Amino acid sequence: EIVMTQSPATLSVSPGERVTLSCRASQSIFTDLAWYQQKPGQAPRLLIYGASTRATGIPARFTGSGSGTDFTLTISSLQPEDFAIFYCQQYHNWPPVTFGQGTKLEIK
Amino acid sequence: EVQLLDSGGRMVQRGGSLRLSCAVSGFTFRSYTMHWVRQAPGKGLEWVSSISATSLSTYYADSVKGRFTISRDNSKNTLYLQMNSLRAEDTAVYYCAKDRTTKVVEGGSLDNWGQGTLVTVSS
Repeated sequence: EIVMTQSPATLSVSPGERVTLSCRASQSIFTDLAWYQQKPGQAPRLLIYGASTRATGIPARFTGSGSGTDFTLTISSLQPEDFAIFYCQQYHNWPPVTFGQGTKLEIK
Repeated sequence: EVQLLDSGGRMVQRGGSLRLSCAVSGFTFRSYTMHWVRQAPGKGLEWVSSISATSLSTYYADSVKGRFTISRDNSKNTLYLQMNSLRAEDTAVYYCAKDRTTKVVEGGSLDNWGQGTLVTVSS
């Protein structure tokens, strides 16, 4: 099973700032990587698939990059509605798909 | 508009059974692989099970294999998860989710999710 590790666990950032979240796979997953955003009491929302392709309706301030084992999600200018928990997920040679443990983005 | 409506969650005793349902609309259900993902209280996301568009292939996490059964009725646009021999560690919000693509080789990312249904297993 491919293990996904996200860092940091929590990030305190001010609105308007740029932030980068990291995700590492235990083996190469090429670009079979998705990012999700989850707000309290809500279902996750797909942000990025294929490591760098924004899902339908996702603002351009969300950018995914990386390949192989190291990936990043960058939010260029944090908006108040962006504060949430972010999960990466690999789907290379699934099943199983596996998720990272999440990074909580909180307001500083 | 794509909609997924999870239902069936409730409190059940350890060792009991439950069937979850996910009624969908707004897309061609019979063309997509579907998934169940769960989230224990205060925890992260855990993939549970998946089923191919034609039901030919089903997949399970090791933690539920032999106890849970995924199925679908393409004539009713509904996905199911039969849960038997429930354990305390099965307590979670269960989400149904749609695969992003009809292309199986590119599948595995989940682009639409239900609102979730809470399963509580009491001891």
